[in-house]
Amino acid sequence: QVQLQESGPGLVKPSETLSLTCTVSGGSISSYFWSWIRQPPGKGLEWIGYIYYSGSTNYNPSVKGRVTISVDTSKNQFSLKLRSVTAADTAVYYCARHTRNAMVTGDWFDPWGQGTLVTVSP
Amino acid sequence: DIQMTQSPSSLSASVGDRVTITCRASQSISTYLNWYQQRPGKAPKLLIYAASSLQSGVPSRFSGTGSGTDFTLTITSLQPEDFATYYCQQSYSTPRTFGQGTKLEIK
Repeated sequence: QVQLQESGPGLVKPSETLSLTCTVSGGSISSYFWSWIRQPPGKGLEWIGYIYYSGSTNYNPSVKGRVTISVDTSKNQFSLKLRSVTAADTAVYYCARHTRNAMVTGDWFDPWGQGTLVTVSP
Repeated sequence: DIQMTQSPSSLSASVGDRVTITCRASQSISTYLNWYQQRPGKAPKLLIYAASSLQSGVPSRFSGTGSGTDFTLTITSLQPEDFATYYCQQSYSTPRTFGQGTKLEIK
């Protein structure tokens, strides 16, 4: 079955750029939307944005202007870059696939990666 | 943005109990509503999609109902592994948004 794995630095300095990669295994990145979602320690879930395998993107206005999501279909990976980070960006970052079927409406996040904690600190 | 509001924020119950968690959307979202379970230190796990469809492999004690703005997640006969935090999430529009979570604790 499809599995997702996040990777990247666990510590980023304030004002610098957070960079994470999600590697998709057990299936192709093609024909799906892929999202980044984050969760500050002890808090709820916040959707950051998604990318379609073709490269089209949609971002949450809460981070728009600081975020770029890109895809590398040859490596079956997609990536997140979040610029000018502050302590408020400290969170567990998850990648997830949008799944849908023809029988019902909408889409849903499944599967998810295990998550990676990124701390913003000097 | 569509705001998702869950109630209660926390809930104490005993093994074997039946519990209901409510999720309300700030505007109509038809049945574009999903439910997730998150255990401590783990990624969220999909339970229910499209308001009432049970994800494969999820026990049948979990069920979801609702449409429009009001939705419920019901767990019948609580098991020890069900004590976790539950989130609703809308897929009607972007930005995708989640409820604030309902923490289900052992009484």
